[in-house]
Amino acid sequence: AQKVTQAQTEISVVEKEDVTLDCVYETRDTTYYLFWYKQPPSGELVFLIRRNSFDEQNEISGRYSWNFQKSTSSFNFTITASQVVDSAVYFCALRGAQGGSEKLVFGKGTKLTVNP
Amino acid sequence: DGGITQSPKYLFRKEGQNVTLSCEQNLNHDAMYWYRQDPGQGLRLIYYSQIVNDFQKGDIAEGYSVSREKKESFPLTVTSAQKNPTAFYLCASSRPSGGVLDGELFFGEGSRLTVL
Repeated sequence: AQKVTQAQTEISVVEKEDVTLDCVYETRDTTYYLFWYKQPPSGELVFLIRRNSFDEQNEISGRYSWNFQKSTSSFNFTITASQVVDSAVYFCALRGAQGGSEKLVFGKGTKLTVNP
Repeated sequence: DGGITQSPKYLFRKEGQNVTLSCEQNLNHDAMYWYRQDPGQGLRLIYYSQIVNDFQKGDIAEGYSVSREKKESFPLTVTSAQKNPTAFYLCASSRPSGGVLDGELFFGEGSRLTVL
């Protein structure tokens, strides 16, 4: 069975601080895909990144970066120099090799509050 | 602009009443999904449809029903059989299932249902 654990329920930081959101996953598949979604107060989830299991290169997109480590089954997300607009609930998700998007398994989310 | 429109945004229902949530997309996506989100919980899949006139149960389909008569529309009915219907409901769509881009879901802004 697939499982995603986001141990941090809520995080509160002050603007300009760096913050890392943890994601640990479990799967028996050798091929799998990991995702991060952002849910701002407006409600809709917004896709941030997809990473397949064969690509362990870290990725940076502006102030966002992702650290994928198969050895520890983790796919952590770091926001550098956080801003108030980063306040949202962030979900990590996992999909195995079989099936499509209907097989996505979401973590319970981490609520990030960035205070001015 | 392309996207997913959910309505109503807020809905109140008396116990014993059925209620239908609307979901319309103009992204020309084949696949559509309904998720339920409870406070502090991840997203749980209710139903999904990969093609018109076909749909499958997700993890928590009991007490819900759907239809997919048009590619653009995937309404969800919360029936009186659903014992705990108060929740936030999210509709999503994606490109055809099985593709390399699977897992990239496009979400609506959600409908918040409260049972009085």
